[in-house]
Amino acid sequence: DGGITQSPKYLFRKEGQNVTLSCEQNLNHDAMYWYRQDPGQGLRLIYYSQIVNDFQKGDIAEGYSVSREKKESFPLTVTSAQKNPTAFYLCASSIYPENTGELFFGEGSRLTVL
Amino acid sequence: GENVEQHPSTLSVQEGDSAVIKCTYSDSASNYFPWYKQELGKRPQLIIDIRSNVGEKKDQRIAVTLNKTAKHFSLHITETQPEDSAVYFCAAPSYSGGGADGLTFGKGTHLIIQP
Repeated sequence: DGGITQSPKYLFRKEGQNVTLSCEQNLNHDAMYWYRQDPGQGLRLIYYSQIVNDFQKGDIAEGYSVSREKKESFPLTVTSAQKNPTAFYLCASSIYPENTGELFFGEGSRLTVL
Repeated sequence: GENVEQHPSTLSVQEGDSAVIKCTYSDSASNYFPWYKQELGKRPQLIIDIRSNVGEKKDQRIAVTLNKTAKHFSLHITETQPEDSAVYFCAAPSYSGGGADGLTFGKGTHLIIQP
């Protein structure tokens, strides 16, 4: 079954802790993305990667870090430097690195800071 | 970068009536305009998209129109049904330095279908 898998679905974190969200895809897509969703804010781009071992900052990259060591995997680390990390995080992939085609989204990870 | 504005933020229509959601974009280089539907607690899913070489595209009860001169595109849903209730997002590609920087999304429209 082809798709994009995010884990965990729910995560609680204490202030000052780093947390890593997993994103794996078996669609053989080159491009992968991380978006943050807040109520009434739509989806905002955190980081994206168009090819292995390369990634670019999106609109709200501060306080986040990523890696792209394998084509299938694009983990996101929410660091303690992110001042308001409570949000719904969506990973996506696309066969089109030029952003001219469909994004396939994972089911999301909901992060709550206690 | 790209700036995408979406209106209205909430739209309530009677079942069977039509719904129209509008978006504007700022980057004249943008050439791909998708619409996503997100049901409560679920992932966004593509429902229709349009490329800049056409002005309109239809798929059963949904259609998208594009006016490149005015930099706006719209989603039209006819004969609305209860299952159309969801949040709808428009998007457009961002470009800088000659490269694509990801899709920029509008803030979403909560469509409510009244029985």
